[in-house]
Amino acid sequence: GQQLNQSPQSMFIQEGEDVSMNCTSSSIFNTWLWYKQDPGEGPVLLIALYKAGELTSNGRLTAQFGITRKDSFLNISASIPSDVGIYFCAGSSTSYGKLTFGQGTILTVHP
Amino acid sequence: DSGVTQTPKHLITATGQRVTLRCSPRSGDLSVYWYQQSLDQGLQFLIQYYNGEERAKGNILERFSAQQFPDLHSELNLSSLELGDSALYFCASSLGLAGDNEQFFGPGTRLTVL
Repeated sequence: GQQLNQSPQSMFIQEGEDVSMNCTSSSIFNTWLWYKQDPGEGPVLLIALYKAGELTSNGRLTAQFGITRKDSFLNISASIPSDVGIYFCAGSSTSYGKLTFGQGTILTVHP
Repeated sequence: DSGVTQTPKHLITATGQRVTLRCSPRSGDLSVYWYQQSLDQGLQFLIQYYNGEERAKGNILERFSAQQFPDLHSELNLSSLELGDSALYFCASSLGLAGDNEQFFGPGTRLTVL
């Protein structure tokens, strides 16, 4: 079945640093979504990407839909303590909305 | 607040029992999805309903079933519970049927099977 490889698994950074994480797939996706999850909470949608090559920003977050449709990356600029959490990529490749999720990137920001 | 509500927040039960998890989608959304999150399997898609009809199935066990009612709320029924069913169960909703719709997640139900 489809698999998403998300890296890195965890990151420890200083406040103010930029962060980059990415996802690669063994198959093509038509939609890429990036979510953030806090402990005990549901995933919160950060950015949605629908076209190959698309680059989309949401405040300090920027994400891109890879040209091959098999990868996506998320950048966070000038990190702040509230950026702490688990970031997930998710892809959809069917006519229905089933999402395949990456394993998550645990982000820790030191003040 | 995503607009998706789930009840209960926590559920503790014993092996062999049956439980029902409830989800109300965002206003106007017709699709409801159920996902299971566990430490070893991550976030896994279980099932999707659109406007009352089952549309897609994922890694859902035969002991699990779901339905979407005319008012669009959905219930996930888990029966003959096993220890390994302990997990976070999330409901998500989207406006349409296809994968080009953004999915918004509820706060989840944490199920503990003792």
